[in-house]
Amino acid sequence: SYELTQPPSVSVSPGQTARITCSGDALSKLYTYWYQQKPGQAPVLLIYKDSERPSGIPERFSGSSSGTTVTLTISGAQAEDEADYYCQSADSNGPLYVFGTGTKVTVL
Amino acid sequence: EVQLVQSGAEVKKSGESLKISCKGSGYTFTTFWIAWVRQMPGKGLEWMGIIYPDTSDARYNPSFQGQVTISVDKSISTAYLQWSSLKASDTAMYYCATRSKSILFGAFDIWGQGTMVAVSS
Repeated sequence: SYELTQPPSVSVSPGQTARITCSGDALSKLYTYWYQQKPGQAPVLLIYKDSERPSGIPERFSGSSSGTTVTLTISGAQAEDEADYYCQSADSNGPLYVFGTGTKVTVL
Repeated sequence: EVQLVQSGAEVKKSGESLKISCKGSGYTFTTFWIAWVRQMPGKGLEWMGIIYPDTSDARYNPSFQGQVTISVDKSISTAYLQWSSLKASDTAMYYCATRSKSILFGAFDIWGQGTMVAVSS
């Protein structure tokens, strides 16, 4: 199996930009997905296929990929963006689905 | 509205069996795979396994193979996660998840509300 590594925490001031990375050897060959999870709630899909946004997700959330690292960017962070964020990949040849270790974003 | 509705919280003792459910509505239940995801208290998300409702083809994360069984009854649009002998370490929130569109292949945009399972030793 493989692992996806994220920083445990990221802090950002309101209105500033937060970047959350996700690293994994297989990511250069696989799509990555991003989820937001607020306390007591189920995860919400933010980004699919590295950089696509589902309908209803604010434009301040964007995704990018470079080699074995993918990045979720929150441009103009708001207090409501304080949450845990998880990357995820899917591999038809491996354990199928893997979640990253998770990053707690604090807006202060 | 596409949604997954899970069964309620459970409090069990070690060694007991348990089956929790996840009912789909608002879409053709047999179209997309349904996954189960574990979240232990204060921890991250772990993919446990996935099942294709039309054929009952199930795949497991090796870490959970043999520990749980994933099944489905497509006649009532319901997926299940079951344990034959619970352990205290099974205490967690369990989510089912699926996708609503083919273009979202690999992702889960529809999640159940979660089922909390508490196991005492």
